[in-house]
Amino acid sequence: GIQVEQSPPDLILQEGANSTLRCNFSDSVNNLQWFHQNPWGQLINLFYIPSGTKQNGRLSATTVATERYSLLYISSSQTTDSGVYFCAVAYLPGGSEKLVFGKGTKLTVNP
Amino acid sequence: DTGVSQNPRHKITKRGQNVTFRCDPISEHNRLYWYRQTLGQGPEFLTYFQNEAQLEKSRLLSDRFSAERPKGSFSTLEIQRTEQGDSAMYLCASSSPGGPSDTQYFGPGTRLTVL
Repeated sequence: GIQVEQSPPDLILQEGANSTLRCNFSDSVNNLQWFHQNPWGQLINLFYIPSGTKQNGRLSATTVATERYSLLYISSSQTTDSGVYFCAVAYLPGGSEKLVFGKGTKLTVNP
Repeated sequence: DTGVSQNPRHKITKRGQNVTFRCDPISEHNRLYWYRQTLGQGPEFLTYFQNEAQLEKSRLLSDRFSAERPKGSFSTLEIQRTEQGDSAMYLCASSSPGGPSDTQYFGPGTRLTVL
């Protein structure tokens, strides 16, 4: 099956810093989503981005499907950005709509 | 649009007991998914429905697990004869393919603890 690798596994920042999270995947995808999981376990949708670039406030994401990676940018980080960020993909050859998740990047933003 | 809801939010049970979880998807979403998440890992797919039809099941879904979506609206996930290894967060998601995107929206989860 498809492999999804996220890096770095852990990231510690001071408030106001910028960061880039990376997601590599091993096959063609027809769905790629970025999520933020808050301390209570809720998965919050950030982006649906199987290709191209999107921006939403301080967050932006870019997926280069031909090179099989996606990047999530967080600018001017805030303590409320802390949590685990997941990349998840659904892959074309599998013919399935199920999402395959990476192991996540745990972000800690200190005041 | 009230989002995906799940009940109960927490369940503590003794090994060997049966438990049932409920998921109410976003209204008019015809696809519904169940995932399981253990500590420190990403969610793993269990099964999904399109309307009332169960279209795919993971190898993780042993014979002790059964899921239903009888009228194509809410879904239930039952675990029979629970084991300590079943302790996890059970997540439900829904989507509406054919719209602007196939985004899956997740509920708050049911956290199961098997003693």
